[in-house]
Amino acid sequence: GAVVSQHPSRVICKSGTSVKIECRSLDFQATTMFWYRQFPKQSLMLMATSNEGSKATYEQGVEKDKFLINHASLTLSTLTVTSAHPEDSSFYICSAREGQGMGNQPQHFGDGTRLSIL
Amino acid sequence: GENVEQHPSTLSVQEGDSAVIKCTYSDSASNYFPWYKQELGKGPQLIIDIRSNVGEKKDQRIAVTLNKTAKHFSLHITETQPEDSAVYFCAASSVSNDYKLSFGAGTTVTVRA
Repeated sequence: GAVVSQHPSRVICKSGTSVKIECRSLDFQATTMFWYRQFPKQSLMLMATSNEGSKATYEQGVEKDKFLINHASLTLSTLTVTSAHPEDSSFYICSAREGQGMGNQPQHFGDGTRLSIL
Repeated sequence: GENVEQHPSTLSVQEGDSAVIKCTYSDSASNYFPWYKQELGKGPQLIIDIRSNVGEKKDQRIAVTLNKTAKHFSLHITETQPEDSAVYFCAASSVSNDYKLSFGAGTTVTVRA
């Protein structure tokens, strides 16, 4: 089946550090990937849509300069949390949508990154 | 935009019994409905999905039903096993939301041995 690999699985770092998270689709190409944030015992909150070869689109209230997204190939998207602060601590999850266009294709998720800012 | 409501929020069943989770959606243009299972500390795993051109889909012990008129869909797990314990999320997507997934709040399922 479709596999999405997300690294690192856990990051603990000091306030002010920038953290990069990678999301790779291992056995399929994905024009579109998504980045979510999940708080404890809550549902997934979409942060941004990552489009291969073009700029990401951010959901309302998400700071694009804070959460930098790069989707340089059909199998890799990265999320960089710049100058992270304790309030950025959360569980970040990526997903990749099968196919190379719009449409209701299945989305497959990575196993998330637990980010803890001290 | 799309609003997906999911019930119940928690569900405890005896091993071997069935579990049913129900979701409703608001956007009549929604036409794709996946279900995800999330285990503790992991990402959601797609377990089954259904498109609006069918009313029911089954995969071994898991089935999903869709009622477009009433705008609700349900997940049915039969012969539950302890490994079915997890949080389950329903979702819906449509062209009116650029095919982004709108998730329900989740159901924590506990299967008692």
